[in-house]
Amino acid sequence: GAVVSQHPSRVICKSGTSVKIECRSLDFQATTMFWYRQFPKQSLMLMATSNEGSKATYEQGVEKDKFLINHASLTLSTLTVTSAHPEDSSFYICSARGINTEAFFGQGTRLTVV
Amino acid sequence: LAKTTQPISMDSYEGQEVNITCSHNNIATNDYITWYQQFPSQGPRFIIQGYKTKVTNEVASLFIPADRKSSTLSLPRVSLSDTAVYYCLVGPPSGGSYIPTFGRGTSLIVHP
Repeated sequence: GAVVSQHPSRVICKSGTSVKIECRSLDFQATTMFWYRQFPKQSLMLMATSNEGSKATYEQGVEKDKFLINHASLTLSTLTVTSAHPEDSSFYICSARGINTEAFFGQGTRLTVV
Repeated sequence: LAKTTQPISMDSYEGQEVNITCSHNNIATNDYITWYQQFPSQGPRFIIQGYKTKVTNEVASLFIPADRKSSTLSLPRVSLSDTAVYYCLVGPPSGGSYIPTFGRGTSLIVHP
């Protein structure tokens, strides 16, 4: 099946700094990408949806100035957590979908803000 | 979007067959049913997808009754490594404006 690669798999950063997470579709063109956040013992919560070349659409309650999403190419989307705080510590998961494909998920990124 | 309802948790033992049922009363005509498996600190992994009747692959079977208002994921002879959270999603099979939306999932624990 198609592969979606997410990097890094885990990151620890200091409070107040920014962290960038990359999501790449390795063998198909991802026209749409989704970013999710998952807290312990909870389900995946959709943060935003992005279409290549367009601004991301954020879910209610997700700060677009804090979680910057860029989807500049058909194979790469990035999520930047700006001015991270301990409450941003979570498991972030990306998903990519092509025009005629199902959604494929990345391995996830464990973010810990100290 | 069709909302799904699953049991929160299930317990089983190695070698047993496990059936996880998902209710989706408002499923649309063009919706498919897709099941994902998620291990701790990993992204969801596709297990199986179906539209009606029965679908089988190397890891699971999916049973869908005629009214399609529910579906059952069947895992034959589970092992300890099948301990995971299983999610049932409903929506178009590909493309379009479909946004994969996850419910609470079913936490399956397989005991020795």
